[in-house]
Amino acid sequence: SQQGEEDPQALSIQEGENATMNCSYKTSINNLQWYRQNSGRGLVHLILIRSNEREKHSGRLRVTLDTSKKSSSLLITASRAADTASYFCATDANRDDKIIFGKGTRLHILP
Amino acid sequence: DAGVIQSPRHEVTEMGQEVTLRCKPISGHNSLFWYRQTMMRGLELLIYFNNNVPIDDSGMPEDRFSAKMPNASFSTLKIQPSEPRDSAVYFCASIVGFSNTEAFFGQGTRLTVV
Repeated sequence: SQQGEEDPQALSIQEGENATMNCSYKTSINNLQWYRQNSGRGLVHLILIRSNEREKHSGRLRVTLDTSKKSSSLLITASRAADTASYFCATDANRDDKIIFGKGTRLHILP
Repeated sequence: DAGVIQSPRHEVTEMGQEVTLRCKPISGHNSLFWYRQTMMRGLELLIYFNNNVPIDDSGMPEDRFSAKMPNASFSTLKIQPSEPRDSAVYFCASIVGFSNTEAFFGQGTRLTVV
């Protein structure tokens, strides 16, 4: 079963613009992670935010977490063509050791 | 380290045949996950191991699916007999510790059952 649900399912923006993707989840968590998947490849970890954190930055990435709303957002600033990929949120559902992924957001950066 | 290694990268088999997918996790990682990815269902967790012991196999779709981890450096996912609806990309991932650390994914095995 899916724990996380990304929104939107697909997003197309112009190069240089900011991209925002959202994730909602169902149960309590210890942490939430974001991953990127390029076409035909495995997933690559981007950033992890713990349940007691509200915001985290890594380069052009900014992640927020609102545990009261059970939601997270991933912001990619100054997007580049190389950012074209699918982005997934993942949680440790029910605070156990399983890592459960949503269905992802397909991001397309237009030149 | 070469990362998580999966083999084969591609597998085409006929319905009814046995299929075995292989995974070598990163050395020192003590948790291993098997996922299946399809357009319709996304990335589904099939089973995961801690220290070579299967912890949760509730995601395994049917008795036709089985997974083993005989030692810390090797795991297999077997489908017998295979069916067309098993066609998907199967990923293996490993982590050091538990779910509060990043998972490292292999490149996946694209399985096509005809």
